Amino acid sequence: DSGVTQTPKHLITATGQRVTLRCSPRSGDLSVYWYQQSLDQGLQFLIQYYNGEERAKGNILERFSAQQFPDLHSELNLSSLELGDSALYFCASSVGTGSGYTFGSGTRLTVV
Amino acid sequence: GQQLNQSPQSMFIQEGEDVSMNCTSSSIFNTWLWYKQDPGEGPVLLIALYKAGELTSNGRLTAQFGITRKDSFLNISASIPSDVGIYFCAGLNAGNNRKLIWGLGTSLAVNP
Repeated sequence: DSGVTQTPKHLITATGQRVTLRCSPRSGDLSVYWYQQSLDQGLQFLIQYYNGEERAKGNILERFSAQQFPDLHSELNLSSLELGDSALYFCASSVGTGSGYTFGSGTRLTVV
Repeated sequence: GQQLNQSPQSMFIQEGEDVSMNCTSSSIFNTWLWYKQDPGEGPVLLIALYKAGELTSNGRLTAQFGITRKDSFLNISASIPSDVGIYFCAGLNAGNNRKLIWGLGTSLAVNP
């Protein structure tokens, strides 16, 4: 157990729907990062939050949004889902913004 | 977005063989990280390197931070079947924008 908790572990939904992925960072970590990993692809950075504020943005689609709450957990919202959004979505956390990450075990999203 | 050049893309070796993989960048990094991802799981940090020229071991794994600060390599000695997985390098850049940049991964298969 890495200490980073992601729920749900698996999610199957239809095109056009909206889903919310949840992440609880490791105790004491202030930064939360969201990554997308499609089949046989590397890790695509989506967005980072630090202590409740957006810190960096990567290749995140406009249909996607995220937030970090006062208790430091984070949610990634994916809307108007398309087949191509099927992927593993990872959350990672770190103490600050310049250190190695600890990853959760991911949410596997399947859009049908 | 920016990515590291990680090679080889995939390797298929016999149990007991040594493995070497590397990452190169056109930019200087002040931290290099090596992660391993097992199927269906999140990446796990193997080794972190913080200084040019640094050579660090973790069991059968050895990684080095290149003296130019633009490359790093990971060696695995006497491979075993549980070494199977995808190995990612990641570099933290030295500028004001301290983003973690990822390689696309090296997929390792070990034949018992």
